[in-house]
Order: sequence, then structure tokens, then C-alpha cells
Amino acid sequence: AAGVIQSPRHLIKEKRETATLKCYPIPRHDTVYWYQQGPGQDPQFLISFYEKMQSDKGSIPDRFSAQQFSDYHSELNMSSLELGDSALYFCASSLRRRGAQGGGPSYEQYFGPGTRLTVT
Amino acid sequence: AQRVTQPEKLLSVFKGAPVELKCNYSYSGSPELFWYVQYSRQRLQLLLRHISRESIKGFTADLNKGETSFHLKKPFAQEEDSAMYYCALRGEETSGSRLTFGEGTQLTVNP
Repeated sequence: AAGVIQSPRHLIKEKRETATLKCYPIPRHDTVYWYQQGPGQDPQFLISFYEKMQSDKGSIPDRFSAQQFSDYHSELNMSSLELGDSALYFCASSLRRRGAQGGGPSYEQYFGPGTRLTVT
Repeated sequence: AQRVTQPEKLLSVFKGAPVELKCNYSYSGSPELFWYVQYSRQRLQLLLRHISRESIKGFTADLNKGETSFHLKKPFAQEEDSAMYYCALRGEETSGSRLTFGEGTQLTVNP
């Protein structure tokens, strides 16, 4: 089965440069999430999009921006990179659907392999 | 605010021994709890969620609201269980959005 695709898998940038990370969700998934995982740390939520609109916002720096396009893929744009931005960036996707028999919605998140960003 | 705590960063057991990975959470409402696993060089994968009450790969986890815990257990650990395990929480007010992860526990199962 198709999984979440992220590109590039590895990226090396210098301080003050910009970077663009791409995420291609599982087909028919309508929600995309971005997480940042620093060395030895747990994944931290950055931002999410549902049907191309921002649905939730976490600890995303103002230097970062993101969007979801009409084909549901998403891009995370990072400017004025700092050494502390070096991390593994995960994208996850999910499909909003009602649970069976009128139960609550199910939003299981499927994760991509991540993009490892190194800022030198 | 929601918070997930995994008190053990490293856990080492021998093959065939029982294993318990601890997870405690802080949340004022009714959370949804998950366990994710990350095998070496692989992506995060959902292992268990409390609403499913299922056993996956021999692992079980029970949500204890009184103790605000969601510990992951397996009666007989296998070498292939060696991985990083993350406990995660989703709050009801975020309408199925963000996951809040614990710090993770690196489980090593020795032969």
C-alpha cells in the first residue's frame, strides 16, 4: 500500500539559507501534519492542514510557513535557517471519517520516513 | 495543557522476560492514547490505541484514568521488539489534530 512520501530524505543547508520540505500524503487522505524531532527529543507538533486550510498550529517559528495544495500535498518552507533547526521533520497524513455506527471520528495518523535537515 | 511522560529513556530486558513501558499523562478531559513504535531506520508506526482494546504483536495497553497511565506491556519480550517506543496523546478539543508525544523509551531485548 502507498505510504506517506517525503522529499528530500536528507538536506544540508547553511545558516540563513532557506529550505523547502515536501510531503505527499496517502491517496485520499485530506489532512497533513508536520512534526519536528530534534536530536534525542520527542516529535513536536508544528502545524496541520485539513482540506487545504490550516487546522491547528503548534510551536512553529514565524520563520517557517506551510501550506497544503489542491492535490493535498504539503510543503514546509523554512527561512533564515538556524543551527537549532537541525532536526528530523516528519509529515503524517490522516483521513477524517466518522467512526462506524455513528461513533467518533477516526484520525489515525500515518507517518512518513522524515526529512533529516542539517544546518551548518 | 497536555503532557505525556515516559520516565524510562532506556529499558533493557532479556528475551522471554516480561516488559512494561511506562506512560503517564496529564490532561483535564478525555484523551485518546496511543503507542507508536519506531524500529531502526524506519518510520513511526502506530502500535496500539486505547479505544481499540486490541493486542498487537503481543503488546497490550490499558488506559487507567484514575492513575492517568497507559502502560505498554508484553509478557514475553522478543529480540525483534527492540525499538523506540513513543506514547502519544490526542486531546478531545483538538478535534483529531495534533499528537503530543512522550520522550520515548528505547527498548533493547537481549538474547
